[in-house]
Amino acid sequence: EDQVTQSPEALRLQEGESSSLNCSYTVSGLRGLFWYRQDPGKGPEFLFTLYSAGEEKEKERLKATLTKKESFLHITAPKPEDSATYLCAVHGSGGSNYKLTFGKGTLLTVNP
Amino acid sequence: DAGVIQSPRHEVTEMGQEVTLRCKPISGHDYLFWYRQTMMRGLELLIYFNNNVPIDDSGMPEDRFSAKMPNASFSTLKIQPSEPRDSAVYFCASSPDRGLGYTFGSGTRLTVV
Repeated sequence: EDQVTQSPEALRLQEGESSSLNCSYTVSGLRGLFWYRQDPGKGPEFLFTLYSAGEEKEKERLKATLTKKESFLHITAPKPEDSATYLCAVHGSGGSNYKLTFGKGTLLTVNP
Repeated sequence: DAGVIQSPRHEVTEMGQEVTLRCKPISGHDYLFWYRQTMMRGLELLIYFNNNVPIDDSGMPEDRFSAKMPNASFSTLKIQPSEPRDSAVYFCASSPDRGLGYTFGSGTRLTVV
């Protein structure tokens, strides 16, 4: 069974203070690792998909990286509008089903 | 593009009542997913459809839950009878193909009292 563990559960940063969120995963054959952002009262919003170890993707102040066991979401010089819950999910090749297994997320708060 | 549309946004019902949640996926998306989100368990997949056919319903908690997709533009998730432990936010999501990121709706917050 695919498993995803995210850490820390919550993170408080000052505006401009860079940091990283961690996503550790166990999966039988990784088909894709996904990062989502979720704002209060809304559905998760897709950010990135990573497919193989060594791959990196960037979007504004966010950069996602992938190894064989974990993924990091690096936040450079964050702003208060980056405050949200960040969710990691994996799509494994076990069985023939197509589904994403999500972690519980990291709640990021960026103070001005 | 209106995105994935869910209704209602909020639902409060009494234990034992039937609840029906509705979803309109993005046009052209062949995959539709129903997820449930709680603080304790996070996001859990309940069921997903491909081309209107249920593919995996192993996440449906018990027989009280049922889902249908009568056509490519509409799906329902029904709980009958509802129980307080069913209280959660239910999300519908759609995707054009496997391996691509889902687009989620805004969710239905269900409270069973």
